[in-house]
Amino acid sequence: EAQVTQNPRYLITVTGKKLTVTCSQNMNHEYMSWYRQDPGLGLRQIYYSMNVEVTDKGDVPEGYKVSRKEKRNFPLILESPSPNQTSLYFCASSLSQGLAGAEQYFGPGTRLTVT
Amino acid sequence: DAKTTQPNSMESNEEEPVHLPCNHSTISGTDYIHWYRQLPSQGPEYVIHGLTSNVNNRMASLAIAEDRKSSTLILHRATLRDAAVYYCILRVLSGSARQLTFGSGTQLTVLP
Repeated sequence: EAQVTQNPRYLITVTGKKLTVTCSQNMNHEYMSWYRQDPGLGLRQIYYSMNVEVTDKGDVPEGYKVSRKEKRNFPLILESPSPNQTSLYFCASSLSQGLAGAEQYFGPGTRLTVT
Repeated sequence: DAKTTQPNSMESNEEEPVHLPCNHSTISGTDYIHWYRQLPSQGPEYVIHGLTSNVNNRMASLAIAEDRKSSTLILHRATLRDAAVYYCILRVLSGSARQLTFGSGTQLTVLP
């Protein structure tokens, strides 16, 4: 089954404790991205990757890091989480970002709480 | 991405058609019109997209105005499972089209 998986689905952590949210897709997609969703602010892009070893900032990259060492995986790293990073996070992938007609597949979300 | 305008909320009765409107008066000739929906506690889900012609798929139909300044997502027979937030999004055809810019969307309530 074609899918985007994220782990963990729920995470409660404390300020400053490094964490990684994993994202994996099994569709051989070139493009992957991370979004955060907050009430009243909608979905905002954090980082995206056009292909392996190619990443770039989205609209809200501060406090986050990403890496794309393999095509299927795109982990989101919070080196020193802060309470303002409490949010619902979604990973997404699509066949090619160069095609504006390409649909994006979203993961189920990771609800992160930083205390 | 160009801006889209949608009603905040709409209601429909179960098994009746639903027409969800979207205005995009600043659309350019190469902008694709995409619709996604987000069910409660789930990630956004692709519904349909089009450029100029009307489009149909198993989930819905997309009717695009001749001047492309508006479009309508049509759910032919709403079910309770169709209750979700529906987002109308424009995507540019270029290598720099790097994201989906989600607006606030339309909350669809389906009444039994």
